[in-house]
Amino acid sequence: DGGITQSPKYLFRKEGQNVTLSCEQNLNHDAMYWYRQDPGQGLRLIYYSQIVNDFQKGDIAEGYSVSREKKESFPLTVTSAQKNPTAFYLCASSILSSGANVLTFGAGSRLTVL
Amino acid sequence: KQEVTQIPAALSVPEGENLVLNCSFTDSAIYNLQWFRQDPGKGLTSLLLIQSSQREQTSGRLNASLDKSSGRSTLYIAASQPGDSATYLCAVRGGANSKLTFGKGITLSVRP
Repeated sequence: DGGITQSPKYLFRKEGQNVTLSCEQNLNHDAMYWYRQDPGQGLRLIYYSQIVNDFQKGDIAEGYSVSREKKESFPLTVTSAQKNPTAFYLCASSILSSGANVLTFGAGSRLTVL
Repeated sequence: KQEVTQIPAALSVPEGENLVLNCSFTDSAIYNLQWFRQDPGKGLTSLLLIQSSQREQTSGRLNASLDKSSGRSTLYIAASQPGDSATYLCAVRGGANSKLTFGKGITLSVRP
C-alpha cells in the first residue's frame, strides 16, 4: 500500500540531545513537509522540500534541521537549540501540479523531552 | 498574513443531528481550501478539497462549501454518527505551490 511512514511513533529525549524523526513515502510525491502540532493549536510548518537536495524554512524552523537526499525520504532533526521540543510531529507529502495537490499525512511522531 | 479561524473549538451533539462546522479566513485570494479529519493521536486524513473556482464538494454524508468573497467555508455533516467524533481542521492554500495555513480545529463529539 502506498503511504507515508513515520518512525518512531513515540520518542523520549533528554535535554541537550539531538533526535532525528524519520519520514518515508512511497507515493512518488515531489513535495514533503514537516509540521508541529501542540495541544489546541493548528499545525505549524517547520520545513518543506519540493525537490531533492533543496528545502525551505517554514514558520518555525529555528532549532530544527532537515535533509532531502532522496525523493522518498525527508528526516527531521530536533536539535538541542529547540527550546520547547515536546510536541506531536507530522510529516506530509503532495504532488506538485496545478489542481488537486492534496496533502497526505503520516501517523505522526510524539516527542517528549524529559 | 493569512489567518484561519474555526469557532467553536469544541462541539457536542446527539447522534443523528445534521451539523455545520465553520471555517473563516482573512485573505480571500486563496488557491484552494481543504478539510481534514484527525483522530486522537493520529495523523490527518483529507476529507474534501475545494478549488477557488468551485462552490462546493460532496463526499458521502459530507458537503463542503466555499464563499471566497466572504472568506468562509462550511463543512456540513448529515445524520451524524458516533464514528464522526474527531477533530476537523480546515486549511487554505494561497497559491498553487504555496504552503497551507491551518485553523486550530473543531473537536466534535457525537453522543449515542
